[in-house]
Amino acid sequence: GESVGLHLPTLSVQEGDNSIINCAYSNSASDYFIWYKQESGKGPQFIIDIRSNMDKRQGQRVTVLLNKTVKHLSLQIAATQPGDSAVYFCAEITGKLIFGQGTTLQVKP
Amino acid sequence: GAGVSQTPSNKVTEKGKYVELRCDPISGHTALYWYRQSLGQGPEFLIYFQGTGAADDSGLPNDRFFAVRPEGSVSTLKIQRTERGDSAVYLCASSLGQGSGNTEAFFGQGTRLTVV
Repeated sequence: GESVGLHLPTLSVQEGDNSIINCAYSNSASDYFIWYKQESGKGPQFIIDIRSNMDKRQGQRVTVLLNKTVKHLSLQIAATQPGDSAVYFCAEITGKLIFGQGTTLQVKP
Repeated sequence: GAGVSQTPSNKVTEKGKYVELRCDPISGHTALYWYRQSLGQGPEFLIYFQGTGAADDSGLPNDRFFAVRPEGSVSTLKIQRTERGDSAVYLCASSLGQGSGNTEAFFGQGTRLTVV
């Protein structure tokens, strides 16, 4: 079936440290995996995607890793800033876009 | 505007009433999604349009929910005989669609529906 979930509901990090947010998925047929950021009162905002035939993709301060063997996806944020505080969702595309439950990232000054 | 627009931003209705929620996608985006989000939860898929047709409506919870996109642009989510459990934020997103190679979906601010 289709299921995308996250390992931890809340992650607290010190400003300037690196953050790693994890996600497990179950649908091996997904074409793309995507990370979204949602701030309070706003709609989700696209961060980065990775195609299913890749294992790593880098963006500005973010890196997404895909391990298809264990069906695991992670988002790494370098030098975490207060503005990174939000809920982060992994999502997958298999025709439609399906979201997981979210991890709240709290950045301590 | 350049983004996805949803109206109204807030809607309070009485149990049993009918409501319509509107979504104006980004011009040129062929794919349009509707989601429902409850507090502390991820967006729950409802329906996905590719152009005018519903490509996947498997997320609609029951026959009280219906969505249309008659001209392949604006979409309306319709809820009949509203129940208190329908209270949530309803999100709309649009994207260039499958085949474009671009997965980025742009979300509106959502409509907060409260059924009293």
